[in-house]
Amino acid sequence: QTVVTQEPSLTVSPGGTVTLTCASSTGAVTSDYYPTWSQQKPGQAPRALIYTTSNKHSWTPARFSGSLLGGKAALTLSGVQPEDEAEYYCLLHYSGVHVFGGGTKLTVL
Amino acid sequence: EVQLVESGGGLVQPGGSLRLSCAASGFTFSRHWMHWVRQAPGKGLVWVSRIDSDGNSLTYADSVKGRFTTSRDNAKNTLYLQMNSLRAEDTAVYYCMSETVLGLWGQGTLVTVSS
Repeated sequence: QTVVTQEPSLTVSPGGTVTLTCASSTGAVTSDYYPTWSQQKPGQAPRALIYTTSNKHSWTPARFSGSLLGGKAALTLSGVQPEDEAEYYCLLHYSGVHVFGGGTKLTVL
Repeated sequence: EVQLVESGGGLVQPGGSLRLSCAASGFTFSRHWMHWVRQAPGKGLVWVSRIDSDGNSLTYADSVKGRFTTSRDNAKNTLYLQMNSLRAEDTAVYYCMSETVLGLWGQGTLVTVSS
């Protein structure tokens, strides 16, 4: 049973910078896992932000960036806005099977 | 408009069946792999299944393997999820999702399994 682990919760001040991470129970996360990040606000469907580690969609704000950091996938928000308060999910690909992390609840306070 | 619209959710008794649909528009559906994802009330996202562009390659989460079947009709631009032998723990909002390069999600359809 493959497990993908994210921080359960993080708090950041408006204008600050925060990094969310995504770890795999199988070992280091690489680009071969095609890390994907999505944002979900209460009562809404998820919205895709980042695909294949660091690629942004046309609607992804510039303050969001994806990378690999210390054997994990990472999502960094620079210059956090109040509207960034949400749940963030990473998704990893394992040879045809995909697994979501448990999500990180980001509070902007 | 580029979008995915799910339908077919509802209340079903344990052991029953349900078929969900996901209508795609605004992009070349037949060229893209598709996924089903679910979210139980108050819980996180769980990947359910993936189908390739032709419908010939399918993978499933262990929790639904043997009970759920994903298919697609590229002529109708529609993705399907046939759910059999439903259990209470299958209660969730079900989303269709495009392959990650497109980044599309539907709005979800609620499936409630209860007697």
